[in-house]
Amino acid sequence: DIQLTQSPSFLSASVGDRVTFTCRASQGIGIYLAWYQQKLGKAPKLLIYAASTLQSGVPSRFSGSGSGTEFTLTISSLQPEDFATYYCQHLSSYPITFGQGTRLEIK
Amino acid sequence: EVQLVESGGGLVQPGGSLRLSCAASGFTFSDHYMDWFRQAPGKGLEWVARSRNRASSYTTEYAASVKGRFIISRDDSKNSLYLQMNSLKTEDTAVYFCGRGNMATRYFDNWGQGTLVTVSS
Repeated sequence: DIQLTQSPSFLSASVGDRVTFTCRASQGIGIYLAWYQQKLGKAPKLLIYAASTLQSGVPSRFSGSGSGTEFTLTISSLQPEDFATYYCQHLSSYPITFGQGTRLEIK
Repeated sequence: EVQLVESGGGLVQPGGSLRLSCAASGFTFSDHYMDWFRQAPGKGLEWVARSRNRASSYTTEYAASVKGRFIISRDDSKNSLYLQMNSLKTEDTAVYFCGRGNMATRYFDNWGQGTLVTVSS
């Protein structure tokens, strides 16, 4: 199984900050990676797919990059509604797996 | 508007069975791969099972943790996805979500709100 390791596990930041999350895969997955945002008690929301493609309707302050084993999600200027947990997920092979998540909180 | 609505969750004893449903609307259900996911209380997301579309012969995939106990199925005439869960264990306690695979990309672009399954004596 492909393991996805996200870092950091927890991040405290302020509105307007630029933040970057990392997702590392245990083996190469090309660009078969997505990022999701999940707020407490809600379903996940697709933000980025194919490593760097912005999902329709997602604000342009979100961006993704990477390929192979290392990927990043960047939020260029944090807004109050961005405080949530972020998960990476791969679609390279079965089983589909998620990272353990990065919880983003307001400083 | 795409909508996915799960139902069928509840409290069940270890060893028991439960059937979850996911009612879809706002899109051509038969064209899409559909998956089940779960999230144990306070934990991360876990993929559970996949049902491919008719064009892919409705083939299925399962996570190792549920293979042989859970069965994913669908009824395209009812725009519905199902998860038959047998031999339930306490570690199956979670919110279960259904998700739609985008036709072009296969990534999960729409999710239901989830239904809670609690396995406890």
